[in-house]
Amino acid sequence: DGGITQSPKYLFRKEGQNVTLSCEQNLNHDAMYWYRQDPGQGLRLIYYSQIVNDFQKGDIAEGYSVSREKKESFPLTVTSAQKNPTAFYLCASRPGLADLYNEQFFGPGTRLTVL
Amino acid sequence: AQKVTQAQTEISVVEKEDVTLDCVYETRDTTYYLFWYKQPPSGELVFLIRRNSFDEQNEISGRYSWNFQKSTSSFNFTITASQVVDSAVYFCALSGATDSWGKLQFGAGTQVVVTP
Repeated sequence: DGGITQSPKYLFRKEGQNVTLSCEQNLNHDAMYWYRQDPGQGLRLIYYSQIVNDFQKGDIAEGYSVSREKKESFPLTVTSAQKNPTAFYLCASRPGLADLYNEQFFGPGTRLTVL
Repeated sequence: AQKVTQAQTEISVVEKEDVTLDCVYETRDTTYYLFWYKQPPSGELVFLIRRNSFDEQNEISGRYSWNFQKSTSSFNFTITASQVVDSAVYFCALSGATDSWGKLQFGAGTQVVVTP
């Protein structure tokens, strides 16, 4: 089945530690996105990528880093510099670079809790 | 700058009642795209519908219907004869054509609670 997988589903981290969230898609999509969701709020864009080895900062990139070494993978690292990392993280992908009418497909999310 | 406003934080209804979710947007783009997503308790966002700015036709899909009005910059969503399975958070989102990256601007979401 085609789709987006995110792992782990739940993640606990001690303050001061870096942690990496996995996002893999087998939809052959070019574009991938990372969002953060806080309780009662909408999704805010962290990073996005249109092609391998290229990515752009979103609205709240501080304290986060990404890589795009393979088309199907877009891992997100939450660094110790992120002051309030406890949140729900969603990865998404979208087919094609030209057709903006395509919707984004979302993974099941990772809930990160800093202890 | 683009903005999406979902003024209703939470709506509670009894099963079989109709519920309408409001979405008002702001954009300077003449070509843009609007989306609705559903987020059930599991957390994954499920795509419901998309509409481009040149297509003002209303749409009905089963118990769901959408009313797009450019004159009022609104793209409202109605669930007819609600069911418990409709309980979820619903997001309206906007993407402008001048943004070649296809980024979405989300509203804050509306929590729909349907009780038996």
